[in-house]
Amino acid sequence: SQTIHQWPATLVQPVGSPLSLECTVEGTSNPNLYWYRQAAGRGLQLLFYSVGIGQISSEVPQNLSASRPQDRQFILSSKKLLLSDSGFYLCAWSVGQEQETQYFGPGTRLLVL
Amino acid sequence: GNSVTQMEGPVTLSEEAFLTINCTYTATGYPSLFWYVQYPGEGLQLLLKATKADDKGSNKGFEATYRKETTSFHLEKGSVQVSDSAVYFCALRKGSSNTGKLIFGQGTTLQVKP
Repeated sequence: SQTIHQWPATLVQPVGSPLSLECTVEGTSNPNLYWYRQAAGRGLQLLFYSVGIGQISSEVPQNLSASRPQDRQFILSSKKLLLSDSGFYLCAWSVGQEQETQYFGPGTRLLVL
Repeated sequence: GNSVTQMEGPVTLSEEAFLTINCTYTATGYPSLFWYVQYPGEGLQLLLKATKADDKGSNKGFEATYRKETTSFHLEKGSVQVSDSAVYFCALRKGSSNTGKLIFGQGTTLQVKP
């Protein structure tokens, strides 16, 4: 069966510090991968998606970047965090003929102080 | 452009009450429609989906019918439980996309009291 992992689960970082959030998927090959952000009291915003290694599409201009160094690994990064980067970050994957159904990880809660 | 609008929450109900969470969408073509649920402190889980007009998705006592004439996908449950307390997201996927990108509504918080 497929599983998706995210870490860390919770992170508190000062403004201006770097960020690296990791997402890995097990039990599947060549998935589409997604990073979403959920700000407090708001819906989900798609930040990045990837259809293959090294292929990243950005949905909105922002202070963040994404990379996909391996087939089942998706990393969200920042060189200098802003207060507005606080939120709940969710990784998701989809694959196969059911491209439509996305499966979400447990999320990382980031608080920038 | 494509968008999803949900009724604002929070929705507060007593146990065994009837639930309706409204969702309407704007999209070109024939999107697929979804309801996701997020329990406290967790990621999202797919609750149900419908891929064409008049389809009814159902799961765990929840139902939603794809109404193209009213561009709606309202979520219903006949008798809610305290364990149904969560945030519910309506979403659409544009039919021609092969990347699986979803567009989400803002979410509706449901609180069920015993």
